[in-house]
Amino acid sequence: QITLKESGPTLVKPTQTLTLTCTFSGFSLSTSGVGVGWIRQPPGKALEWLALIYWDDDKRYSPSLKSRLTITKDTSKNQVVLTMTNMDPVDTATYYCAHLRGADNFDYWGQGTLVTVSS
Amino acid sequence: DIQMTQSPSSLSASVGDRVTITCRASQSISSYLNWYQQKPGKAPKLLIYAASSLQSGVPSRFSGSGSGTDFTLTISSLQPEDFATYYCQQSYSTHFTFGPGTKVDIK
Repeated sequence: QITLKESGPTLVKPTQTLTLTCTFSGFSLSTSGVGVGWIRQPPGKALEWLALIYWDDDKRYSPSLKSRLTITKDTSKNQVVLTMTNMDPVDTATYYCAHLRGADNFDYWGQGTLVTVSS
Repeated sequence: DIQMTQSPSSLSASVGDRVTITCRASQSISSYLNWYQQKPGKAPKLLIYAASSLQSGVPSRFSGSGSGTDFTLTISSLQPEDFATYYCQQSYSTHFTFGPGTKVDIK
């Protein structure tokens, strides 16, 4: 049974760096073909894909946010970490991590964590 | 980036209605198209992958079709639990993108 859970601060100040951790179980990020992605959703708005990391440590970032994002994995801890620099109020959103199946679709999602950016 | 559009942005329908949602890609994405359902306060749920393959556990009233740039999600007989927002997502590019969503509510 695959589960994922996001953790991190609920409130960050403008210009600060956000660090979110996705802790998962039921799969290994050292297994060929496996990936974990981050997706966010501002209140009342659409989903936005942010970043992906694959079993082989290949990484992909949203072109519009690439300069601000870093995704890493710790296979031994079953964790994926996303950092986003220079946070702004427009980055207020629910941040989800999800299991990527076959480098194609997100078949399991975490519950999401709401991050508010405010001074 | 591959841009995704959806139409309509919202629709009102009754239980039992046949509902069709359209998703269009800004370039050909073959069949690399997935559909998700999201209910308020919940994470999205995968419904359809590879344009027309039904995810395990999803009712057969959901179906997907299309290839290239034009895709559809059809709900053959809308049920009360289907009132939600639906998103398409392309995986042709390794820079994934989601559509803007279609909200289905009760008429």
